Amino acid sequence: QQQVKQSPQSLIVQKGGISIINCAYENTAFDYFPWYQQFPGKGPALLIAIRPDVSEKKEGRFTISFNKSAKQFSLHIMDSQPGDSATYFCAASWSGAGSYQLTFGKGTKLSVIP
Amino acid sequence: DVKVTQSSRYLVKRTGEKVFLECVQDMDHENMFWYRQDPGLGLRLIYFSYDVKMKEKGDIPEGYSVSREKKERFSLILESASTNQTSMYLCASTTGGGGEKLFFGSGTQLSVL
Repeated sequence: QQQVKQSPQSLIVQKGGISIINCAYENTAFDYFPWYQQFPGKGPALLIAIRPDVSEKKEGRFTISFNKSAKQFSLHIMDSQPGDSATYFCAASWSGAGSYQLTFGKGTKLSVIP
Repeated sequence: DVKVTQSSRYLVKRTGEKVFLECVQDMDHENMFWYRQDPGLGLRLIYFSYDVKMKEKGDIPEGYSVSREKKERFSLILESASTNQTSMYLCASTTGGGGEKLFFGSGTQLSVL
């Protein structure tokens, strides 16, 4: 049973446009929602993360929007650039004692074309 | 700069061979993980370890084992490699629990022929 569903699988956006990637989760115990960015030949790296006490978190051109009632969260990349072309993974976990695992979505391959 | 180092970038092995994938982290992290990455399937957790000599199964442990004799080193073992274990293997570490940042290595692309 997939606990974090990510869409779309791939995305093509023109330079300067807005990229939007969506994720939905099932486990209401999740309380930590990170996004990881992976460039070809590299391991994923933490991009931005949110906890459910806020509905939005912004870091530069990257914003996470969080909807607790709908159990959904999304990544928005404003003014998308060719250097943003990468695979993006959403993830979720609960941060309680004894928790060690992140559950990842299947990933979205973003291509930003000039 | 923090580092998770995987011993090989590319590895080619034959069916039935015993394969060792090594991972070393220099951040004194308690927790270490092995993931498998396949196109369209995302990152799937194979095994993790929250302390030396401790290990826990992840979502897809079948056909794999792990070893953690020292805090900084976490090894993934394929006892008898099969073609369906051809994949990208990623090691990661973190200092805390599920709410902490994961640091990943660059991955080992394993091909089993």
